[in-house]
Amino acid sequence: DVKVTQSSRYLVKRTGEKVFLECVQDMDHENMFWYRQDPGLGLRLIYFSYDVKMKEKGDIPEGYSVSREKKERFSLILESASTNQTSMYLCASSLGTGAKEAFFGQGTRLTVV
Amino acid sequence: QKEVEQNSGPLSVPEGAIASLNCTYSDRVSQSFFWYRQYSGKSPELIMSIYSNGDKEDGRFTAQLNKASQYVSLLIRDSQPSDSATYLCAAANFGNEKLTFGTGTRLTIIP
Repeated sequence: DVKVTQSSRYLVKRTGEKVFLECVQDMDHENMFWYRQDPGLGLRLIYFSYDVKMKEKGDIPEGYSVSREKKERFSLILESASTNQTSMYLCASSLGTGAKEAFFGQGTRLTVV
Repeated sequence: QKEVEQNSGPLSVPEGAIASLNCTYSDRVSQSFFWYRQYSGKSPELIMSIYSNGDKEDGRFTAQLNKASQYVSLLIRDSQPSDSATYLCAAANFGNEKLTFGTGTRLTIIP
């Protein structure tokens, strides 16, 4: 079974803090994704990585950055957290090379106060 | 216009009946389609993928794809209370590894 693990289930951070969300997958997948999920807006792609050190902006990259130094790990960074970044953050991975099925981590519920 | 559209529901179906979930997509180059189930407070779980026109069956689930009409559906036979969840439809284009998700349909199975 594919396992995608996010470092925290719940986080509470203060406005202006730098926040790191970590994600690790154990199936040697090429692609990794960060989404946020908000009521009524569905899943929105923040960033995507298709290889180590490679990244591509998704639909809502503003206020976020990412890092992929190792194939199995994909980090999402909130440079200066704001209250409108309070959300559920979901990491996913897919095999790549045409196999597009994405598998999700358990999610991180981030609250910025 | 959203690229992948779903009726948000809620959709209520009696236990034992067939639940029918629908999804339309706007991008004609979309080639791969996926259905995810998401329980409240949990992350999405892949339940079906479909790539060709027609039906694909897996247990109580049947995915249907009609590329001419740009329409994907998921049928759940013999609905169970444990099927109560939000169902997300997703599409991907050839050569693009990203999935585009609909906003989901909330399904409630009534005992």
